[in-house]
Amino acid sequence: DQQVKQNSPSLSVQEGRISILNCDYTNSMFDYFLWYKKYPAEGPTFLISISSIKDKNEDGRFTVFLNKSAKHLSLHIVPSQPGDSAVYFCAASVGTNDMRFGAGTRLTVKP
Amino acid sequence: DSGVTQTPKHLITATGQRVTLRCSPRSGDLSVYWYQQSLDQGLQFLIQYYNGEERAKGNILERFSAQQFPDLHSELNLSSLELGDSALYFCASSLDTGIYGYTFGSGTRLTVV
Repeated sequence: DQQVKQNSPSLSVQEGRISILNCDYTNSMFDYFLWYKKYPAEGPTFLISISSIKDKNEDGRFTVFLNKSAKHLSLHIVPSQPGDSAVYFCAASVGTNDMRFGAGTRLTVKP
Repeated sequence: DSGVTQTPKHLITATGQRVTLRCSPRSGDLSVYWYQQSLDQGLQFLIQYYNGEERAKGNILERFSAQQFPDLHSELNLSSLELGDSALYFCASSLDTGIYGYTFGSGTRLTVV
């Protein structure tokens, strides 16, 4: 029951360029979406969220876009920095309980 | 330090055994969530407690159980362990609704041999 899917297990970009991480979901009842970042040997940390009443949310270098009709969201990081290298998890929930996570995308930003 | 404390950090045990993982939520948080991350898998939601009561249940096996105590710490009990139970187990907490995201602990790595 994989309701949240991140189809790209890895992504490599050059420092200063844009990183685009994608996520698809199947449950049309999801109304709250988040991105988490995870470094090795640490738990995931909350990065940015968006509710279904919006289609864009921006926080500094990070922007999340939501396309409800396509059941798709993406995270844009501009400009990418080497410190952004981590595993990024997409998550979705109905309300804010029972949050479901994708399998993660490993981002590598090369200097 | 995220404020969510998980113990132990590492655990190695044999098949058929029973273990208890402990989680202390961030100060003030009422909700506790348990997640399992197997190799190359995403975070699988197991169970959520809110202020001592079970609020939501995910893909938690019958061999697994959890509870949240009056002081809000939580324990995840895993019994009749199998090799496939080897994974990272994360605990997370949130104030109530989790609208600002969950705060995760650094996890307990369980190895069943």
